[in-house]
Amino acid sequence: AQSVTQPDIHITVSEGASLELRCNYSYGATPYLFWYVQSPGQGLQLLLKYFSGDTLVQGIKGFEAEFKRSQSSFNLRKPSVHWSDAAEYFCAVGEISSGTYKYIFGTGTRLKVLA
Amino acid sequence: NAGVMQNPRHLVRRRGQEARLRCSPMKGHSHVYWYRQLPEEGLKFMVYLQKENIIDESGMPKERFSAEFPKEGPSILRIQQVVRGDSAAYFCASSPSGQGAGNTIYFGEGSWLTVV
Repeated sequence: AQSVTQPDIHITVSEGASLELRCNYSYGATPYLFWYVQSPGQGLQLLLKYFSGDTLVQGIKGFEAEFKRSQSSFNLRKPSVHWSDAAEYFCAVGEISSGTYKYIFGTGTRLKVLA
Repeated sequence: NAGVMQNPRHLVRRRGQEARLRCSPMKGHSHVYWYRQLPEEGLKFMVYLQKENIIDESGMPKERFSAEFPKEGPSILRIQQVVRGDSAAYFCASSPSGQGAGNTIYFGEGSWLTVV
């Protein structure tokens, strides 16, 4: 079965510092990968997605992610974090299982931003 | 262009009562997914429906949980005889087409169920 691992449960960075959130997946074929952000008490907002092509994907709010097949990773990055980026971040892989398509989510990384 | 609409946003039920969560997909979307997010956990797939059909319910608990997506009206996730362990956020998502990996699905803002 496919799985998504986000090894960091909590990350704290200072405002203006760079950020990298890790995501590793296990999937036999070419994965379809997503990053979502969830603010407290809110739904999920899609940051970016990778289906094919350029392995460096640009998203909203200044985020980017790089797909590395050799490392089975899809890490999320941002060069300079803003206080409003404090939220929980979920990596997901889209899979077809038993003929239906659904997402498998990681357990999330909670980002805290220090002023 | 309204997104996925869920209601109620917050619901409190006593143990043993029923909870009904509603989801209206985005306009033009005929595929609906329900996910559950337990405290401090990621989202877990529950069920995938098309109009009048349950396509995949492999993530649904065997008892007390049911889902429907009628020809008219919203999709409904129904939890009978709720227990404290049902307290969670329930997210609905929709897509225009369920077949074909890589389709983006769009999430609603969730319904937070608290069982007291």
